[in-house]
Order: sequence, then C-alpha cells, then structure tokens
Amino acid sequence: RKEVEQDPGPFNVPEGATVAFNCTYSNSASQSFFWYRQDCRKEPKLLMSVYSSGNEDGRFTAQLNRASQYISLLIRDSKLSDSATYLCAVINSGYSTLTFGKGTMLLVSP
Amino acid sequence: EAGVVQSPRYKIIEKKQPVAFWCNPISGHNTLYWYRQNLGQGPELLIRYENEEAVDDSQLPKDRFSAERLKGVDSTLKIQPAELGDSAVYLCASSTGHYNEQFFGPGTRLTVL
Repeated sequence: RKEVEQDPGPFNVPEGATVAFNCTYSNSASQSFFWYRQDCRKEPKLLMSVYSSGNEDGRFTAQLNRASQYISLLIRDSKLSDSATYLCAVINSGYSTLTFGKGTMLLVSP
Repeated sequence: EAGVVQSPRYKIIEKKQPVAFWCNPISGHNTLYWYRQNLGQGPELLIRYENEEAVDDSQLPKDRFSAERLKGVDSTLKIQPAELGDSAVYLCASSTGHYNEQFFGPGTRLTVL
C-alpha cells in the first residue's frame, strides 16, 4: 500500500457544484496534513493545513479522520478557476518528510 | 517579497551529459528542499537542508546526483551523467522550519534525449 493515496480523477463538475476529495495515508503516526493546489505546469501552492478539529477557509473545508486514516477536501460552489490538481501531503513523525499523493484533477465546466 | 527563484526554467540535454540546477530560497528561510516531480505524480523529496546541513538525503540517487548549499542560502543540484529517466520537473522549496509551510519555486523542466 502506498503511503499517500488519492483518486487521480479527473472529477468533472459544473460550476456551482460541491465536490469532495479524499486522501488516505498508511502511517498511523502521521502528524501533519496539508492540501496543495497545482495548476497545469506550475508549482504546488499550499491551499490549507488540515487540523484535527477540521478547518474552513471560504468555500474550502478540510477534515481529518484519524480513525480511518484519511483527510478530505470539500469545495462548495465550484468556480471555473478551481480547475487544478489537488495534492494531499503528509508529514510522518518518524521520517519528518513531506510525502505527497499523486494528486486529484478537478475540471470545473461552465 | 520575492519568492523562491530557480534557474534555468527549462533544460534539454542529451543523455550522459551533466546538468545543474540553481535555487535561491526566500530570504530568511533556513530549510531548503529539492523535489523531483514526474508527470502525473506528486513531488518526491530528494534532499532537505537545514541551513547548510543536509539532514535528509535518503532519496537522493547518490551515484549520479549531488547537491550543495555551501553558505546556507542558495543551493545547486547536479546530475552527472544524466539518464533518460531523469526527465522530470525539479522543484526547489523553502520554509522557516520543517513543519511550516513550504513555498515552491517554479521548477526546472529537464528533458533528457
């Protein structure tokens, strides 16, 4: 099993839709969790850190489920500009290395 | 504030040739990372520096890859000799500390022919 797994998609949704991505991680000792956004041929940029209590930033909500070892990202009222690849990343306490998933591609259409 | 600077942005070389990438992190960021990203994959860490010390280079293919950060500021990643499988985007990132947000540079897209 890979350390960090994501459904590669693409997820095709219309503008205004709500879409959710999950990311599973294999190491139960993982400490820190992040969602990054990567536009085509651009560098990754931090979208949100994921806290145990969950966190929300505008239309974006991130949740952590330690029991089932996954994090989620919910995007409400999708915009065309949300089209991108969403990478989840995990830091394991033992290795102290940020491990990325392969990313989930989101395509928002008019 | 300037972001992470990388050069060159693109590089095309023939296999067995050497190549070097340069990175200048955000001012004041002590932690510097080199990642490699293959098409359709997430970035994979090659090496992490805390100031001038390489604290995690377990994923760096040391037979052909080398890196340095001599004064704890900018860094160079070298491949010698390059192989076809080295074609990828090489990303540099920096942060104020390992558990803090990492800021990525635009990357160098390497094509080995």
